[in-house]
Amino acid sequence: DAGITQSPRHKVTETGTPVTLRCHQTENHRYMYWYRQDPGHGLRLIHYSYGVKDTDKGEVSDGYSVSRSKTEDFLLTLESATSSQTSVYFCAISEPRGGGNEQYFGPGTRLTVT
Amino acid sequence: TQLLEQSPQFLSIQEGENLTVYCNSSSVFSSLQWYRQEPGEGPVLLVTVVTGGEVKKLKRLTFQFGDARKDSSLHITAAQPGDTGLYLCAGGTRSNTGKLIFGQGTTLQVKP
Repeated sequence: DAGITQSPRHKVTETGTPVTLRCHQTENHRYMYWYRQDPGHGLRLIHYSYGVKDTDKGEVSDGYSVSRSKTEDFLLTLESATSSQTSVYFCAISEPRGGGNEQYFGPGTRLTVT
Repeated sequence: TQLLEQSPQFLSIQEGENLTVYCNSSSVFSSLQWYRQEPGEGPVLLVTVVTGGEVKKLKRLTFQFGDARKDSSLHITAAQPGDTGLYLCAGGTRSNTGKLIFGQGTTLQVKP
């Protein structure tokens, strides 16, 4: 299994508060991704990083920001949490080669915004 | 916008039955991955197919990539309760970012 950890694993927070989720990898993979998973929507990409300090938006980036100051760490921040951001958040890593775009996922963070 | 439609969304079968899950798109993908996810865990990669018409087997699971690289199928023979889970297909884009487009998922329940 790829060495990917996420913290915290569970969090309950109040509407309007900032929240930061952390993804840490030990695989030295170049690419890192943040997804949210909601019933009926599968996995939706929030932001991704293609190198240290290189990030870009995914399909559901509003209300989220990211930072990557080191290869191994990718942080996701909810600037002012809303109830619509209650979800399960997954981090993934990849090192694309010519064959395919395999991604390896962390265990997830369950976030509840009350 | 590239989309992947998975069907069926839910499947409940008895142990020993066969089943097929489909993943369809109007777009061409550079590769197609299948993942399996259990409750409370992240998705786990099962297989990657990259060539049109490619067939890969993983024990009782058979994966096929369509000739035009727009669709894929997952066939499970003699399903077992341990096959229960959420199955996700994901298409690889031609960009150099490694991004994937995910289907909505198929929830499979295999009853003993």
